Amino acid sequence: ENVLTQSPGTLSLSPGESATLSCRASQSVRSSYLAWYQQKPGQAPRLLIYLASSRATGIPDRFSGSGSGTDFTLTISRLEPEDFAVYYCQQYGSSPKTFGQGTKVEIK
Amino acid sequence: QVQLQESGPGLVKPSGTLSLTCAVSGDSISNINWWSWVRQPPGMGLEWIGEVYHSGNTNYNPSLKSRVTISMDRSKDQFSLRLSSVTAADTAVYYCARDAAHSSLDYWGQGTLVTVSS
Repeated sequence: ENVLTQSPGTLSLSPGESATLSCRASQSVRSSYLAWYQQKPGQAPRLLIYLASSRATGIPDRFSGSGSGTDFTLTISRLEPEDFAVYYCQQYGSSPKTFGQGTKVEIK
Repeated sequence: QVQLQESGPGLVKPSGTLSLTCAVSGDSISNINWWSWVRQPPGMGLEWIGEVYHSGNTNYNPSLKSRVTISMDRSKDQFSLRLSSVTAADTAVYYCARDAAHSSLDYWGQGTLVTVSS
């Protein structure tokens, strides 16, 4: 099983600042099959990024993904009030398709 | 617009079987996608349960494999989850989702809370 470790656990930032979230895999992620999701309280997760760096439909360009192999990053530039949420990475290159434990981006 | 909707009992007794159905609209489950179940215990992270392919092939999380069955009903554009021998640890919000291969879980249902309690 490919274990994903996200850091930090919590990120305290102000609107307008940039956020950098990390996701490290215990094994190389096949074909960069790495996705990022945003989840707000009481809502289902929403796909932001797939294939490590491709933005999903309707996702603003302030969200960007990068990385390959075992190290991946989600960057949110110029945080908007609606961006404060929990973010999960997921690898879907091998079964079981595992999730990281999440990073909470909170208002400072 | 693809939409998914979970349905099923919100309360299941310990040692019983949890059964949920996901109704798909705006797409056909016979198209080339995986159809997945994910769960989230209260206040915790996401756990991938398993998936069924348009052909009927399945993949399951090894941690649940002995208790899980995912199946599909092409005539109704629905797929289902059965989890047997449930305990309180299976209390969670259960989501169904479409897995469009390269783009992973691109459409999700709203989720349904299932509580395991006597």
